[in-house]
Amino acid sequence: RKEVEQDPGPFNVPEGATVAFNCTYSNSASQSFFWYRQDCRKEPKLLMSVYSSGNEDGRFTAQLNRASQYISLLIRDSKLSDSATYLCVGTSGSARQLTFGSGTQLTVLP
Amino acid sequence: GAVVSQHPSWVICKSGTSVKIECRSLDFQATTMFWYRQFPKQSLMLMATSNEGSKATYEQGVEKDKFLINHASLTLSTLTVTSAHPEDSSFYICSASRGPGNEQFFGPGTRLTVL
Repeated sequence: RKEVEQDPGPFNVPEGATVAFNCTYSNSASQSFFWYRQDCRKEPKLLMSVYSSGNEDGRFTAQLNRASQYISLLIRDSKLSDSATYLCVGTSGSARQLTFGSGTQLTVLP
Repeated sequence: GAVVSQHPSWVICKSGTSVKIECRSLDFQATTMFWYRQFPKQSLMLMATSNEGSKATYEQGVEKDKFLINHASLTLSTLTVTSAHPEDSSFYICSASRGPGNEQFFGPGTRLTVL
């Protein structure tokens, strides 16, 4: 079983739609969680951190449920520029190594 | 900001040759650097963690004699793919952080194609 699992998609949504991504993790010792976005053939870029209390940044809301080992990302009023692959990431180990999910591909259509 | 560069951005080589990839932190001192590999349609997989001045710690399944990592300074780490074969063709990405537990800043990646 993969340590971080995501629905690979693809998700094709119209501009302005609300879209939600889910992620589960198996390592209960994972310390921190993040959402990254990765554009085609580019490096991943940190989108936001994920907390049990929830984290909102503009149109983006992330939530962590440690009891269920479940992470979510909600994108409201999606824009064309939101098209990318969204990576769910957990950390573990003394060096806080990042463990990446396989990513969920989003395409926002005009 | 925290900028990390990688060189080269892409490389094509013949099977059996060795390829060196450089990762530099341009505006901060990176105590810890990480090397990842990403195959098409797959996620980033951590290959190794290196701390400046120490031997790298390799993840299970990654051959340390094939993927040589050197982190001799606080701003430079190198990954050498020795005797590269077509199955080593991948997107290699480094990241750098100011220390364990600090945010990782990613380089732009190096696309390696082995013919």
